[in-house]
Amino acid sequence: NAGVTQTPKFQVLKTGQSMTLQCAQDMNHEYMSWYRQDPGMGLRLIHYSVGAGITDQGEVPNGYNVSRSTTEDFPLRLLSAAPSQTSVYFCASSYLGIAINIQYFGAGTRLSVL
Amino acid sequence: AQSVAQPEDQVNVAEGNPLTVKCTYSVSGNPYLFWYVQYPNRGLQFLLKYITGDNLVKGSYGFEAEFNKSQTSFHLKKPSALVSDSALYFCAPLLGGSTLGRLYFGRGTQLTVWP
Repeated sequence: NAGVTQTPKFQVLKTGQSMTLQCAQDMNHEYMSWYRQDPGMGLRLIHYSVGAGITDQGEVPNGYNVSRSTTEDFPLRLLSAAPSQTSVYFCASSYLGIAINIQYFGAGTRLSVL
Repeated sequence: AQSVAQPEDQVNVAEGNPLTVKCTYSVSGNPYLFWYVQYPNRGLQFLLKYITGDNLVKGSYGFEAEFNKSQTSFHLKKPSALVSDSALYFCAPLLGGSTLGRLYFGRGTQLTVWP
């Protein structure tokens, strides 16, 4: 089982550039989400999706776009990168429903914006 | 408003001693509470969860957590710490009701177990 796969692992961007962080899961999970992790701030939710064609904003959505055209994929797009977006990004997926909700995380993408 | 607090940024214990990582929460409705662990340069891994039932929940790697409704706490415990337990630990309530999956993470507690 591949689980949750994130690419790339590392990325350096210049201010103003755009890029897409990829996330794919092979567990047929309905729920997928993106978090950013900054020192001393835990993980903060950027966007999430409860199924194909359905997305919603989390705590810190500004500067990021998402789409969910398939169950498996949930890409995160940075429209115009800013130094404040330097962070480690994690994608996670899970089934919906309390009894079976365990989130599986990817290994992360470390992004630096210069 | 929903919130979660991990009052200690760091916890240091000697190998073989018991460990406790504290978590308090404030959520509306029934609390669904999780602990996750992050080893260096890795993604988070599920440890255990409280949904309903027994207040003492057992999880992976010998960890357990005690749910206390009156104190709104969900402290993580282990009777005998190992050096390999050194990692970053996150408490997280599940928000959005039973059909949604949004985890709201605390700031994390860095656990260091020395030999």
